[in-house]
Amino acid sequence: AQSVSQHNHHVILSEAASLELGCNYSYGGTVNLFWYVQYPGQHLQLLLKYFSGDPLVKGIKGFEAEFIKSKFSFNLRKPSVQWSDTAEYFCAVNLNTGFQKLVFGTGTRLLVSP
Amino acid sequence: DAGVTQSPTHLIKTRGQQVTLRCSPKSGHDTVSWYQQALGQGPQFIFQYYEEEERQRGNFPDRFSGHQFPNYSSELNVNALLLGDSALYLCASSRDRGITNTGELFFGEGSRLTVL
Repeated sequence: AQSVSQHNHHVILSEAASLELGCNYSYGGTVNLFWYVQYPGQHLQLLLKYFSGDPLVKGIKGFEAEFIKSKFSFNLRKPSVQWSDTAEYFCAVNLNTGFQKLVFGTGTRLLVSP
Repeated sequence: DAGVTQSPTHLIKTRGQQVTLRCSPKSGHDTVSWYQQALGQGPQFIFQYYEEEERQRGNFPDRFSGHQFPNYSSELNVNALLLGDSALYLCASSRDRGITNTGELFFGEGSRLTVL
């Protein structure tokens, strides 16, 4: 079965620190990759997505992610985090079967201290 | 432009009871998916509805059933509730594009179900 692994369950950073959240998936075929964010008290919303083309994708709020096919990875990065980035981050994979069925990781809870 | 709306936001049931959760998709969307998010876990796919039919199903028992109405809104029904059904139930909508569908999902804020 397809699975998504997020290695860090809790991350605590100070403002201006750099962020990298790991995501690996297990599936050998073509995939679409997503990072969703859930701010406290809010719904899940899309941060960025990769479908094809340039493996380095840029999302909202200064986030970016790099798809490395050989490593089955899609790590999320941000050069300098802000207190407002405190949230839970979910990596998700959609097998490119034409249907929107996402397999999510367990999430990483990020706390940014001012 | 209304996003995905879900009701109720919170509810408490006892074991053995039945529950119905409701979802209205984002305007212009015709596909509704339901996910279960247990505490400390990522959302898990329950099923997806398109054209009033269940199109895909995740690894959930038959106690979980759903329906989609002509206006694309949807219901999730869970029968014979177990303690382990306590979770946040998320509805997500999208616009189907057939075999080339690669669009994102738009999520509602969820219905938090507690089973006592």
